[in-house]
Amino acid sequence: NAGVTQTPKFQVLKTGQSMTLQCAQDMNHEYMSWYRQDPGMGLRLIHYSVGAGITDQGEVPNGYNVSRSTTEDFPLRLLSAAPSQTSVYFCASSSRGRLMTQLFFGSGTQLSVL
Amino acid sequence: AQSVTQLDSQVPVFEEAPVELRCNYSSSVSVYLFWYVQYPNQGLQLLLKYLSGSTLVKGINGFEAEFNKSQTSFHLRKPSVHISDTAEYFCAVSDFTNDYKLSFGAGTTVTVRA
Repeated sequence: NAGVTQTPKFQVLKTGQSMTLQCAQDMNHEYMSWYRQDPGMGLRLIHYSVGAGITDQGEVPNGYNVSRSTTEDFPLRLLSAAPSQTSVYFCASSSRGRLMTQLFFGSGTQLSVL
Repeated sequence: AQSVTQLDSQVPVFEEAPVELRCNYSSSVSVYLFWYVQYPNQGLQLLLKYLSGSTLVKGINGFEAEFNKSQTSFHLRKPSVHISDTAEYFCAVSDFTNDYKLSFGAGTTVTVRA
């Protein structure tokens, strides 16, 4: 029972490098999202998707791109990494019914940008 | 837009003592409320949620929370904590208009001492 799988678990980048954080879920959830977690700030929503082909911005979208070509996958792209993007990133998914159920989280990716 | 304030950033507590974590929210519309827990080096998992109905909500691991609409609060309680309850706890809110967009508080770190 894999749930939400994030790769890699750790990554170190140099300023200006690009990379993609992978997220996959096997629960057939319509809704997927990316959060970043910073000390004292909780989790902030970066981007989200309510289904394949549909994405939208959260509260901190600058510097990040997403796409949703399949129900299962929701990668997060950093086009030109900056030190301000040093954070722990969590992918989460949920079924999208009339009432909010719960978010299922991956185990996170710890990203350091030097 | 909704927001969440967790009033305590750190709560030290002795084993078998009670604990209360305070959460206040603001929103112009009706809300759904959640508490999530993050154990060290793990993703978040749902403790409990309030969607409607009884204002006293029971969750996993002996936790409960009470929704108080007049005070816009959703405080989390446990009558007797264990060492294994050492974790970070997040209060979160979504509103009826965008039930899949959660706003998280900054988190409360609970440290249980023997």
